[in-house]
Amino acid sequence: QQPVQSPQAVILREGEDAVINCSSSKALYSVHWYRQKHGEAPVFLMILLKGGEQKGHDKISASFNEKKQQSSLYLTASQLSYSGTYFCGTERDLNSGGYQKVTFGTGTKLQVIP
Amino acid sequence: DGGITQSPKYLFRKEGQNVTLSCEQNLNHDAMYWYRQDPGQGLRLIYYSQIVNDFQKGDIAEGYSVSREKKESFPLTVTSAQKNPTAFYLCASRDRDSTGELFFGEGSRLTVL
Repeated sequence: QQPVQSPQAVILREGEDAVINCSSSKALYSVHWYRQKHGEAPVFLMILLKGGEQKGHDKISASFNEKKQQSSLYLTASQLSYSGTYFCGTERDLNSGGYQKVTFGTGTKLQVIP
Repeated sequence: DGGITQSPKYLFRKEGQNVTLSCEQNLNHDAMYWYRQDPGQGLRLIYYSQIVNDFQKGDIAEGYSVSREKKESFPLTVTSAQKNPTAFYLCASRDRDSTGELFFGEGSRLTVL
């Protein structure tokens, strides 16, 4: 099942903050976050594992609420370089070992303007 | 430098022709993935492979085929049975011993005329 991302699009002025949400109806082992610029490959931002955790990466951080199977990506003091489409990818918790498939949401298009 | 190489970057084909997209990695990763990307639809999984000589269907496998004869190679064939093959195709790999992130290639853009 494809995770659900919201919002679909957001426009920010430089310096403003944004939150992008990702939710799943299934128990998750991990949540991945990537940013993609037009015509390019997605770039890894961070991965969160079950057990509930938060991670930070400069002014970009994320959390994973295992009880709700929801993850949020926080972008603070946005810069022009943050523009792009953000995807969450989820990996189900099947307790079967090995690599599972990573299923992506439809993306959140973020535009930062001066 | 380690990474994933996809070729060709751009490909034009006539309707009804099979095409094969190449994906090679020198990262020594066990798992490899193929995704298709259409405007506004995100990345959809076509096939993935956990180990050599083994692969599983993803969410949109119909009209596609793969092989995994070598650890470093995971070619994707878009067959004539794929009804709407024009798309951007992304190959990725991952290593369990690292953070678990997907490493993506630069993509192949297929246009069927």
